[in-house]
Amino acid sequence: DAGVIQSPRHEVTEMGQEVTLRCKPISGHDYLFWYRQTMMRGLELLIYFNNNVPIDDSGMPEDRFSAKMPNASFSTLKIQPSEPRDSAVYFCASSLVGGGGNQPQHFGDGTRLSIL
Amino acid sequence: AQSVTQLGSHVSVSEGALVLLRCNYSSSVPPYLFWYVQYPNQGLQLLLKYTSAATLVKGINGFEAEFKKSETSFHLTKPSAHMSDAAEYFCAVSPGGYQKVTFGIGTKLQVIP
Repeated sequence: DAGVIQSPRHEVTEMGQEVTLRCKPISGHDYLFWYRQTMMRGLELLIYFNNNVPIDDSGMPEDRFSAKMPNASFSTLKIQPSEPRDSAVYFCASSLVGGGGNQPQHFGDGTRLSIL
Repeated sequence: AQSVTQLGSHVSVSEGALVLLRCNYSSSVPPYLFWYVQYPNQGLQLLLKYTSAATLVKGINGFEAEFKKSETSFHLTKPSAHMSDAAEYFCAVSPGGYQKVTFGIGTKLQVIP
């Protein structure tokens, strides 16, 4: 079975440029999560969706960040304009609803983003 | 609100020695608890999960964890460390009812030959 697929795996761009990260969740999963991982702050939840609807975006650091899920098989995380402090590994994860929250999350391999 | 505390951001063990990674949680309701492992340049993978069926949970790669309500702990153990166990391990808690999962800061396990 295909897992969560993220693209690109690596992105290097200059400050001020728009960055778009992409995620394809596991087919049939109801929830999709975007995380950011840094050495300083660990793993941070940015936003999550249920059935394509954003449920909690309280972790989105600022208005430069936006996320969409136009359909059940695709989501994007966009940073515009990008800044060096946005450099991190960004993970997408998906999970099934069931049992009231006992389903594990399945993670993609991440996008390593470097803003110069 | 729920929280997770992982004691020790770095743990070193000798190959063949016992692995013990500590996790304490805080939750206002009976929680679901998870351990994930992250290998370099990869995403997190589920090791095991506690969902109230049994207090001793067995996972992949010989790992297990015991839920102790009185101690609010969910420590991860493996009797004999292998070089391939070197990775970062994350404890996570969910209060159920599908609220978002809270991850600990992670513990990096080093296995010394």
